[in-house]
Amino acid sequence: AQSVTQLDSHVSVSEGTPVLLRCNYSSSYSPSLFWYVQHPNKGLQLLLKYTSAATLVKGINGFEAEFKKSETSFHLTKPSAHMSDAAEYFCVVSDRASGYSTLTFGKGTMLLVSP
Amino acid sequence: ETGVTQSPTHLIKTRGQQVTLRCSSQSGHNTVSWYQQALGQGPQFIFQYYREEENGRGNFPPRFSGLQFPNYSSELNVNALELDDSALYLCASSLSSAQETQYFGPGTRLLVL
Repeated sequence: AQSVTQLDSHVSVSEGTPVLLRCNYSSSYSPSLFWYVQHPNKGLQLLLKYTSAATLVKGINGFEAEFKKSETSFHLTKPSAHMSDAAEYFCVVSDRASGYSTLTFGKGTMLLVSP
Repeated sequence: ETGVTQSPTHLIKTRGQQVTLRCSSQSGHNTVSWYQQALGQGPQFIFQYYREEENGRGNFPPRFSGLQFPNYSSELNVNALELDDSALYLCASSLSSAQETQYFGPGTRLLVL
């Protein structure tokens, strides 16, 4: 079975400083990986996805993630945090073992951005 | 293009009651998946519907059931509500059951008292 582990439950940064949200995955085959963001009292918005093409994936709002097979990692980064980035971020792996796609979520990382 | 919509936005029920949540998929999408997100947790897969049939199911009891209609909209029904059913219920649609990218609605927040 696929799984993801988000290594930090909370990350605090100052506005204008870099963001790093860490994610490790476990998969029996080449996985598809996603990052979703959830703002307070909102649904989930897709930030970016990796589907075995380029290992460095660019997403919306200046976020990017790098797939590293040797480290089984898919960390999310942004060069400069903005106040509007404060939200919960989920690392997600797609499971296709049963012939259809379901998503397995990590427990989430809350990003706090201070002025 | 209309995104995924869900209704109602909030709901309060008492233990033992039954509830129906509704979801309209994004235009052109024939697959709907439902997830339960308990407070402080990531969403967990409940089941998926593809062309009006249940396509797959997570680790949820049979009192969680669903329907998908010819227009691909969907319902989630929960019978005999328990306090632990209090959660945000998220609906996601995708182009097909094999399509991995899912687009989520805003969710329905259910409180069971």
